[in-house]
Amino acid sequence: DQQVKQNSPSLSVQEGRISILNCDYTNSMFDYFLWYKKYPAEGPTFLISISSIKDKNEDGRFTVFLNKSAKHLSLHIVPSQPGDSAVYFCAASAGGIRGGSQGNLIFGKGTKLSVKP
Amino acid sequence: ETGVTQSPTHLIKTRGQQVTLRCSSQSGHNTVSWYQQALGQGPQFIFQYYREEENGRGNFPPRFSGLQFPNYSSELNVNALELDDSALYLCASSPRQGVGETQYFGPGTRLLVL
Repeated sequence: DQQVKQNSPSLSVQEGRISILNCDYTNSMFDYFLWYKKYPAEGPTFLISISSIKDKNEDGRFTVFLNKSAKHLSLHIVPSQPGDSAVYFCAASAGGIRGGSQGNLIFGKGTKLSVKP
Repeated sequence: ETGVTQSPTHLIKTRGQQVTLRCSSQSGHNTVSWYQQALGQGPQFIFQYYREEENGRGNFPPRFSGLQFPNYSSELNVNALELDDSALYLCASSPRQGVGETQYFGPGTRLLVL
C-alpha cells in the first residue's frame, strides 16, 4: 500500500504561469515532507521541505503548503520556467530531519512537469 | 568539492548472477543510503550505513547486502539476481543521519537483468 501518493503522472504548464503539484499521504506519523526534482541521468535534487509544525514554507519561486487534516501537501512554482521541466518527487519522513526510524524516506511515484515556452 | 559519484553508470547481468555497485560519498559525509528506483516508480529505501554500520533497512531480502568503508564510500551487493532487480540504484550521502538539504544523491547505476 502506497503511503505517499502523487496521483498526477504528468502536468503541462505554460511558461510564466503557476505550476501546482499535489501529494497525498496516509501515514499520520510522517512529520517532515520534502520535494525533490529529478532531471534525466541525474540523481534527485532537494528542492524544499516542510515540517509538520508549519503549514507553509517559501523559498523564492517555490512554496510548499501542508494540510495535515487532509494529509495533503502541494508544491507551487510561480512563475514557471522551461528549466523547471523535470520529474518532481514528494517524499516523507517519520523521523523529522534525521529521516525515519530507519533513516529512510518514503517517496511518491513522481509527477513529470513540462513547462512550455 | 566532489559530489556523490557512483560506478558503473550502466550494467547488464543475467538472472542468477551477482552484482556489486559502488558509491563514493561527498567529502565529510559519514552516512550513505541506498535506494532502488524501478521504472515508473519513486525511489525505494534499501538500507543506510552510518560510520560503517548498517543503521536501518527497508523491505528488501537478505540477498541485498552492503558495506561501508573507513573512507565512508559504500558498496551495494545483490546476489542471485532476479528480473525484477532491473532498476536505477541511487545512493545518497549526508554529513550525519539527515535528509533533505543535507543529503545529496548520486546519478545512479542503471542495472538491467536479462
